[in-house]
Amino acid sequence: DSGVTQTPKHLITATGQRVTLRCSPRSGDLSVYWYQQSLDQGLQFLIQYYNGEERAKGNILERFSAQQFPDLHSELNLSSLELGDSALYFCASSDGRGWANVLTFGAGSRLTVL
Amino acid sequence: AQSVTQLGSHVSVSEGALVLLRCNYSSSVPPYLFWYVQYPNQGLQLLLKYTSAATLVKGINGFEAEFKKSETSFHLTKPSAHMSDAAEYFCAVSDGGYGGSQGNLIFGKGTKLSVKP
Repeated sequence: DSGVTQTPKHLITATGQRVTLRCSPRSGDLSVYWYQQSLDQGLQFLIQYYNGEERAKGNILERFSAQQFPDLHSELNLSSLELGDSALYFCASSDGRGWANVLTFGAGSRLTVL
Repeated sequence: AQSVTQLGSHVSVSEGALVLLRCNYSSSVPPYLFWYVQYPNQGLQLLLKYTSAATLVKGINGFEAEFKKSETSFHLTKPSAHMSDAAEYFCAVSDGGYGGSQGNLIFGKGTKLSVKP
């Protein structure tokens, strides 16, 4: 157990729908990162939050949004889902200090869009 | 912008043989480099990291990696492969704070390691 909790583990939904993925960071970590892992794109950075504020944005689609709440948990919202959004979504957390801080990953949420 | 390239999407070795997984980086600043491992149906786990303290970095499970600036490489090695080493391995470079980011990792495409008995 890495200490980073992601729910749900698996999610099957239809095109056009909206889903929310949830992440609780490791105790004491202030920074949360979201990654998408797919066979063709590999691991793609989506977005990073630090203590409730957006810190960096990667290849995140406009249909996707995220936020980090005062208790530091984070949610990734995916809307108007397309078949190509099927992927494994990882959340990671760190203490957010410095360039060499270690990211601790959760087990991921597997999204299947039918 | 920083990037990493992993040579070989699949590597197969026999149990007891040397493991060598290749990673080359591109960075306009001194890089911070990482190797992560992903076992089937699990998240990524840190193997080791390079932060300029020493060029030879030892990690968990007998793995080590050597930073070679002249070759812009950070290859991962293990002297003797074990069946339990079968997994996917990812090399990553820290984004280095550009555009307000801090500590975000840029990953390579990954190398799947198979270990034959």
